[in-house]
Amino acid sequence: GAVVSQHPSWVICKSGTSVKIECRSLDFQATTMFWYRQFPKQSLMLMATSNEGSKATYEQGVEKDKFLINHASLTLSTLTVTSAHPEDSSFYICSARDLSAGLKNIQYFGAGTRLSVL
Amino acid sequence: RKEVEQDPGPFNVPEGATVAFNCTYSNSASQSFFWYRQDCRKEPKLLMSVYSSGNEDGRFTAQLNRASQYISLLIRDSKLSDSATYLCVGDSGAGSYQLTFGKGTKLSVIP
Repeated sequence: GAVVSQHPSWVICKSGTSVKIECRSLDFQATTMFWYRQFPKQSLMLMATSNEGSKATYEQGVEKDKFLINHASLTLSTLTVTSAHPEDSSFYICSARDLSAGLKNIQYFGAGTRLSVL
Repeated sequence: RKEVEQDPGPFNVPEGATVAFNCTYSNSASQSFFWYRQDCRKEPKLLMSVYSSGNEDGRFTAQLNRASQYISLLIRDSKLSDSATYLCVGDSGAGSYQLTFGKGTKLSVIP
């Protein structure tokens, strides 16, 4: 099946630093990728939709200047958490929609990045 | 607010049992639905897609009732390896590829 590589899988950083997370589709092309955040015992919450070659679309309440998204190619999207604070500690997961699936909305998920901000 | 609601769980069932999860959705424009399973501290993995009235794959059967806006997942002959959290997911409809996730139902299959 399709593989989405996400890394790092785990990062600990000091408050105020920036963290970059990569999401890469390994064997398919994805014009659209999605970034989610999941807090303990909660469901995945969509943060933003990443569109190749254009600006990301952010969900209500998500600060675009804090969560920078770049989707420079059909196989790579990056999320940068700028000036991270302890409340940003969470499990961040990306998904990629397989372009070849046509109208079927088949999305494959990366393994997630567990961010801990001290 | 477009939401997907699931049985809160947890469901604790013995091996071999049949278990059913129900899920309701509020967005009548949703076209596609999915069941994902998520193991602890892992990413969701697609279990089944539901585009029409239902889908069956081995021990797993999903049914969709658009009139009542609910989806169900039936697991027959439960295995220990079925223990996970099951996420009900719907798309946003209107050509959007965004997904809305339910909070999940935790299943524990007991020896």
